[in-house]
This record gives sequence, C-alpha cells and structure tokens, in this order.
Amino acid sequence: AQSVTQLDSQVPVFEEAPVELRCNYSSSVSVYLFWYVQYPNQGLQLLLKYLSGSTLVKGINGFEAEFNKSQTSFHLRKPSVHISDTAEYFCAVRPTSGTYKYIFGTGTRLKVLA
Amino acid sequence: DGGITQSPKYLFRKEGQNVTLSCEQNLNHDAMYWYRQDPGQGLRLIYYSQIVNDFQKGDIAEGYSVSREKKESFPLTVTSAQKNPTAFYLCASTGNTEAFFGQGTRLTVV
Repeated sequence: AQSVTQLDSQVPVFEEAPVELRCNYSSSVSVYLFWYVQYPNQGLQLLLKYLSGSTLVKGINGFEAEFNKSQTSFHLRKPSVHISDTAEYFCAVRPTSGTYKYIFGTGTRLKVLA
Repeated sequence: DGGITQSPKYLFRKEGQNVTLSCEQNLNHDAMYWYRQDPGQGLRLIYYSQIVNDFQKGDIAEGYSVSREKKESFPLTVTSAQKNPTAFYLCASTGNTEAFFGQGTRLTVV
C-alpha cells in the first residue's frame, strides 16, 4: 500500500518570496510522483510529474520539484511566488505497474500575501 | 478539445433521494476514477475502473455505486445509504502516467 503525507496544511508567504511545499511518501513498490494544483471550485491541474531519470523536474508556472529516493520525499519549490499562485496543492503517487490507483495527500493551501 | 466533462457543476437533492453524477471523457483512456473531496481531507477514492465492464471499490465505496458500460462514461450514483453525501466530487481518467481531472460536481443534500 502507498501513503502520502503533506505535513503543512497551510503555508502563508509574501509575494516574490520563495516557497517550498513538502511531500513525503511511503510505498513498498516503485511509484510515479505528481504535484497538482487546484483553484477554488475547480478540478486538479497537473503541475509536474516524476517518472524516471533526472531527479529534478520542472513544471508549469515556474514550479520545480526534487525526487529524493532515500528520504522518500518530493518537495515542490518556486523561487518567487505571485498572488496568482494562491491555491491548494496536492502531492500524489501511483504504482508504476499493476493497479493504476492514485493516492493523494491531504493538500497544502498556499496563500500568497501582498 | 479532448477532456473530461462532469455534469452538472452544482446539484441539490433532498435527503433520501438517489442522485447520479455524470462523467464523460473523450481522451480514449482506459482507466477512470471517482474521488470525493472534503475540506482538510484531500481526495479519497470512491471507485475506479481500469477497463470497460469492470470496476473496483476504493477506500470509501459504501453508499455509492458505479457502472462502466462504455469506455467514455463512468457515472456515479450517490444512494440514500450514503450518510453524509454533501461534498465535492471529482472524476478523473488516465492513459498511462498522470491523471486528468474534470471540473467537479458540488453536491448538496438538504
């Protein structure tokens, strides 16, 4: 079985400051990792994904994440946030084979302050 | 445009009534999913289907039912047995790696 932990339920940050949203996972099998963003009353939009290869992955809107296998982490970062980045962010994993079952964390609400 | 369409966006029902949420995709994806979202609890898997005419229970299937008669469609019925049905429901599908999501249906039971 897999599980995903997002320890920070809310992260306030000032505009143009850097931000890191933390994600740790647990799995007995190999997984793909994802970060999604959700704006109010909308579905989830993919920010980036790690499938294999380079551990630093770049996504849309200037976000990037680093896969750390030894620490089972996949933290999301952005060097300078904008007001428009205010949203909820979800980390997710899915086994690379077998059942295509996605497991999501509980989400981190990023609030960018002017 | 390819994508996932959920309808309706908002749905109101009286307590004790069954209600069916629609999910249609034109991405030619084999696997489809239903998630329930409540504040502070993230997304919880209700049902998923990896192929037509087959589906499996997720973590919170009690009080829900689904069908998968066509590849494009995966409707979810919220039955009167679901004790707390008011929530935001998300449908998703996948072809190989990432999941694609619909815009959600907000169900309110009064």
